[in-house]
Amino acid sequence: QQQVKQSPQSLIVQKGGIPIINCAYENTAFDYFPWYQQFPGKGPALLIAIRPDVSEKKEGRFTISFNKSAKQFSLHIMDSQPGDSATYFCAASMGTPSNTGKLIFGQGTTLQVKP
Amino acid sequence: DSGVTQTPKHLITATGQRVTLRCSPRSGDLSVYWYQQSLDQGLQFLIQYYNGEERAKGNILERFSAQQFPDLHSELNLSSLELGDSALYFCASSVVLGGEQFFGPGTRLTVL
Repeated sequence: QQQVKQSPQSLIVQKGGIPIINCAYENTAFDYFPWYQQFPGKGPALLIAIRPDVSEKKEGRFTISFNKSAKQFSLHIMDSQPGDSATYFCAASMGTPSNTGKLIFGQGTTLQVKP
Repeated sequence: DSGVTQTPKHLITATGQRVTLRCSPRSGDLSVYWYQQSLDQGLQFLIQYYNGEERAKGNILERFSAQQFPDLHSELNLSSLELGDSALYFCASSVVLGGEQFFGPGTRLTVL
């Protein structure tokens, strides 16, 4: 119940394509869903995050779609560029009662954007 | 640059040894989280401190311990090291409990 399942494991797209990464969760107590981008040798960097009261959130070329009833959320990268080639992690955390915010991560998706 | 600093960047040691990893959170952040990243386990939460107090524990081994000091920096102590402890160790910080977490550059630990 604490797991977050992420797919696909790897993804290759052409420049300008729209890669989509999917995550699914079981625990309905999760109420915060961030996405992180990680380049080799670097720490994860927060990209965008969503809470269950909205179904979609956009920040620049990155969009999160959230389906509360299906317990799924996904990341779309519009007009993808070679510089977007990285590993992407979805995550989830729960608020009350402890509200510690510890993140449960998906297994990661390695994205390659070909020029 | 997230504003979270970690030292050292790399650490190579032998089995059975003890090491200390250090983390300085972003200015103003009260909460510090430690995560371990390995190829087989992915990114796993270890332990969290808030304003000097332990608030949550994950799958942290008994050989591992941590603390947060009055100046809010944190240290993760790993003892009786085993080959399987080789991994990247990340520290993250947030202003409040449950807030956005910003990760440091990590410490790569290699146990030989």
